[in-house]
Amino acid sequence: QKEVEQDPGPLSVPEGAIVSLNCTYSNSAFQYFMWYRQYSRKGPELLMYTYSSGNKEDGRFTAQVDKSSKYISLFIRDSQPSDSATYLCAMITDSWGKLQFGAGTQVVVTP
Amino acid sequence: EAGVAQSPRYKIIEKRQSVAFWCNPISGHATLYWYQQILGQGPKLLIQFQNNGVVDDSQLPKDRFSAERLKGVDSTLKIQPAKLEDSAVYLCASSLPHSTDTQYFGPGTRLTVL
Repeated sequence: QKEVEQDPGPLSVPEGAIVSLNCTYSNSAFQYFMWYRQYSRKGPELLMYTYSSGNKEDGRFTAQVDKSSKYISLFIRDSQPSDSATYLCAMITDSWGKLQFGAGTQVVVTP
Repeated sequence: EAGVAQSPRYKIIEKRQSVAFWCNPISGHATLYWYQQILGQGPKLLIQFQNNGVVDDSQLPKDRFSAERLKGVDSTLKIQPAKLEDSAVYLCASSLPHSTDTQYFGPGTRLTVL
């Protein structure tokens, strides 16, 4: 079993729709959770970072963490074609900041 | 602020050849990472440096991969000899020493091994 599971998609939505992305993890020791966005032929860029259960909002983006279920989510409201990218969840696994990534979900927002 | 620089951007080699990648981190970032991202997968950490020292190289295939970070700034990652399964994007990232949760990634080097 992989430590971090993420549906690879692709997930195709019309412009303006809400995008819902999810990851599950197996190690209850994970405390810090991130979402990265990766455009084609680019490196990942950090979108959201959270370390507690509950919701965190940043503009059109909401990150949700449920530690009891070992489940994290990212919601994108009012999706735009520019949101078309691969979204990677990641977790810090040790005190040196080692990241464990999910496989990434490809999102396509159609005009 | 300049980002993480990597070169070359693309490389095509035959199996059993050697190849080297270069990374220049963001100025002042003491921590440097090399990741391997195979198509359809998330990045996997190969090696992490704190200044000149290696913090974690547990997933680096040491029989063929090597990395160094001279003077705590630039870094090179070498593969010798390359195998078909080494075809991937090699990403370099850097972070401030006490902010390893915020890593800044370069554009990557796309390696194709034929």
